[in-house]
Parts: sequence; C-alpha cells; structure tokens
Amino acid sequence: DAGVTQSPTHLIKTRGQQVTLRCSPKSGHDTVSWYQQALGQGPQFIFQYYEEEERQRGNFPDRFSGHQFPNYSSELNVNALLLGDSALYLCASSLTLLMNTEAFFGQGTRLTVV
Amino acid sequence: GIQVEQSPPDLILQEGANSTLRCNFSDSVNNLQWFHQNPWGQLINLFYIPSGTKQNGRLSATTVATERYSLLYISSSQTTDSGVYFCAVSNTGANSKLTFGKGITLSVRP
Repeated sequence: DAGVTQSPTHLIKTRGQQVTLRCSPKSGHDTVSWYQQALGQGPQFIFQYYEEEERQRGNFPDRFSGHQFPNYSSELNVNALLLGDSALYLCASSLTLLMNTEAFFGQGTRLTVV
Repeated sequence: GIQVEQSPPDLILQEGANSTLRCNFSDSVNNLQWFHQNPWGQLINLFYIPSGTKQNGRLSATTVATERYSLLYISSSQTTDSGVYFCAVSNTGANSKLTFGKGITLSVRP
C-alpha cells in the first residue's frame, strides 16, 4: 500500500519565480491538505482540497494556489516567490466521510528561495 | 482558533530512561494525533487518539478530552527515539485542518 508521495524532494528557486509541488495521496484517500513548515516551527495549514475544490484555507496570500485532479492527486503552486517562502512543504492525505479522519503525511518538499 | 501548547520544549534523556511529553489544547477536539518528525522531515504517525488510551510497543498515549490534554509516554528510550514530537489537533468539523504545537525536541544519549 503506497503512502503519500511528494515530488520533488528538494528544489531551489530564484526570488520572483513560480513553483509547482506535487502530491499523490495514500491509496483510498480522497482529501489532500498542504502545510508549510518553517525551520524550528510546527507545520502551518495552507489549504485543503476535496472533490477537486478548495474546502478550507489558512492564512496564506493568494500567491499560494492549488488544484486537485480526478485521481485525487494535488498540486501546490506558489507565484512571485519571496525569500520567506523557503520552507518544508508537507502534503497530508485523509479520507472524508469517515469518523476516523487520521491524516498521513508525505516526506515533504524542501524549497529554498535565493 | 484553537491553541496547542507542548511541554517541555526540549528534553534530554539517557538511553533506557522513561519520559512523558504533554500536549494542552484550548478547546474541545475531534481529532488529536501525535507525530515523530524524522531527521529528513517526514512526519511519522504515532497515535490517532482524540480520547482514551492506546499503546504501541514502548510508546503509549492518553488523551483526557474533558480536561483538554494528551500525554505521550516513551519507555526504555533508545537513541532512535531522538527527534521532534508534534501534537496536532482539529476541532472545526469532520476532516478539518490540523493545528500543530511547536513540538518537543527529544535527545536520547547513549
């Protein structure tokens, strides 16, 4: 049973550029959430996708956008990168409509903006 | 929104010692999870425990939802237990976002 997979694992971008991160959920899961983790901090919620729609959003600017595909995989896009966007980006998957909504995380994408 | 506080922030143990990690939260929850973050950044699921007690080998966890806290117990610690432990909760409906604490950094010395 494949777990949550993210790509790429590492990425270096220049300030002002755009980046796309990808996530495939755990088999059988239909909901994908994205988190940003700055160095030394706990992960912060960015947004969640279910049924190809953004269902919840955290306190992040519109430069952060996403998409969910019919196969439940998801992308996170960040435009006009800032140095402060450097962080570990984590994807979590879960299954909605169940009492147990345990979330499982991928290995993350480490983004460095220079 | 809900607040999550973890204590202590740092913990240093000798191999073989026992430890208790605490998570306090400010409101009722419908999901509480404990994670261990490995050196490469991946969050490893330890427990899904919105209430009650669970055990898995040397690790066990208890959540007292009415008193808004959860405890993670590590017995006979090993150097491989080193890392950051996070508590995360949600309380705004089914499958809602997780709010994380700042984590507890555990160092187990041989």
